[in-house]
Amino acid sequence: EPEVTQTPSHQVTQMGQEVILRCVPISNHLYFYWYRQILGQKVEFLVSFYNNEISEKSEIFDDQFSVERPDGSNFTLKIRSTKLEDSAMYFCASSEGTSGRTGQFFGPGTRLTVL
Amino acid sequence: AQSVAQPEDQVNVAEGNPLTVKCTYSVSGNPYLFWYVQYPNRGLQFLLKYITGDNLVKGSYGFEAEFNKSQTSFHLKKPSALVSDSALYFCAVRDIPMNRDDKIIFGKGTRLHILP
Repeated sequence: EPEVTQTPSHQVTQMGQEVILRCVPISNHLYFYWYRQILGQKVEFLVSFYNNEISEKSEIFDDQFSVERPDGSNFTLKIRSTKLEDSAMYFCASSEGTSGRTGQFFGPGTRLTVL
Repeated sequence: AQSVAQPEDQVNVAEGNPLTVKCTYSVSGNPYLFWYVQYPNRGLQFLLKYITGDNLVKGSYGFEAEFNKSQTSFHLKKPSALVSDSALYFCAVRDIPMNRDDKIIFGKGTRLHILP
């Protein structure tokens, strides 16, 4: 069964450093998303991406964040200068169509720890 | 604005008993509703969704959910709980869009603990 994959599973970084979280969505999916889950809190939407551009972003997704689909298979989330409060589990998701029709499928997550 | 409420932080059920995990929602239009499950150290796994049609939706692992428009609820149910059902369950909602916006709003999660 096809699945969304994410690397690395755990990333530790120093405050102020740049990190890139990588995702490989399901191959025939056209819509891509990033969510995050701070420990013990609920899952929060960050950004959605379709047709090579951001379609929506939350207030969390400020200028420190960017997303890219550098090739036909990867979807990345970059945090330019990490802060302590960026420590969280980051989930990538993809959907074949809009999520209401098909549902979003999530990767296993990358745990980001900012020291 | 759309929102989801899961009133219970934790639900404890004896194995073999029926289980219910509650969810209520608020949307401006008609909702798309979802349940996801998160096992320890794993990502979010899609269980089921309601778009339209039959109010009782069947999903993975024997779970089902009932859409109740008058009560704005979408409770998750299973007739007979298994110890392996122990996990964190998230209810989620999305407004039927007027544009391309496609984000899902999640509830805070309910930890389901099945007692052997």
